[in-house]
Amino acid sequence: TQLLEQSPQFLSIQEGENLTVYCNSSSVFSSLQWYRQEPGEGPVLLVTVVTGGEVKKLKRLTFQFGDARKDSSLHITAAQPGDTGLYLCAGAPLYGQNFVFGPGTRLSVLP
Amino acid sequence: DTGVSQDPRHKITKRGQNVTFRCDPISEHNRLYWYRQTLGQGPEFLTYFQNEAQLEKSRLLSDRFSAERPKGSFSTLEIQRTEQGDSAMYLCASSFQGARNQPQHFGDGTRLSIL
Repeated sequence: TQLLEQSPQFLSIQEGENLTVYCNSSSVFSSLQWYRQEPGEGPVLLVTVVTGGEVKKLKRLTFQFGDARKDSSLHITAAQPGDTGLYLCAGAPLYGQNFVFGPGTRLSVLP
Repeated sequence: DTGVSQDPRHKITKRGQNVTFRCDPISEHNRLYWYRQTLGQGPEFLTYFQNEAQLEKSRLLSDRFSAERPKGSFSTLEIQRTEQGDSAMYLCASSFQGARNQPQHFGDGTRLSIL
């Protein structure tokens, strides 16, 4: 069974601070997606990373896929209250179509 | 592109009743997924369809659960004889399988509360 772990589970920071959240597995994935979910809504896709070592930037968010395609990180620069939400990573297995989700990191950015 | 649509958004019912949820995927997407999400957890895979064929079901999907996608477009998820443990957010997602690594796009879910 492929599992994804995310850390930290909870993070509360002040506006303007930087932060990094992690997504780790012992399994290799063909790709990995990051989503943000707000209460009462479905997850919204932020990015897909495919190649080992790949780095993608989305404004103040930087995503990195590990060289071995087993882990990923999300770094947010100068966090804003609008970044508050549940950040989920999801891995696409090498074989099969069943995406595996991590439990998420719940981020709270205080003004 | 109107996105993935789910109906109803909220459902409250008594234990033992049957419920049915509907999902309308993005029109050109041929894959459709159902997930269940409980408070503080990530989505858990239930089942997925490619066109009208149900290709995979999780062991989480007991015999009280059934899903259909009769014409390869919208899908329904039915839960019979609901139990309190069925209370959760039920999420639908769709994707296009024409190339590898196509991401899923989610609807806003149906929140089920069992009294």
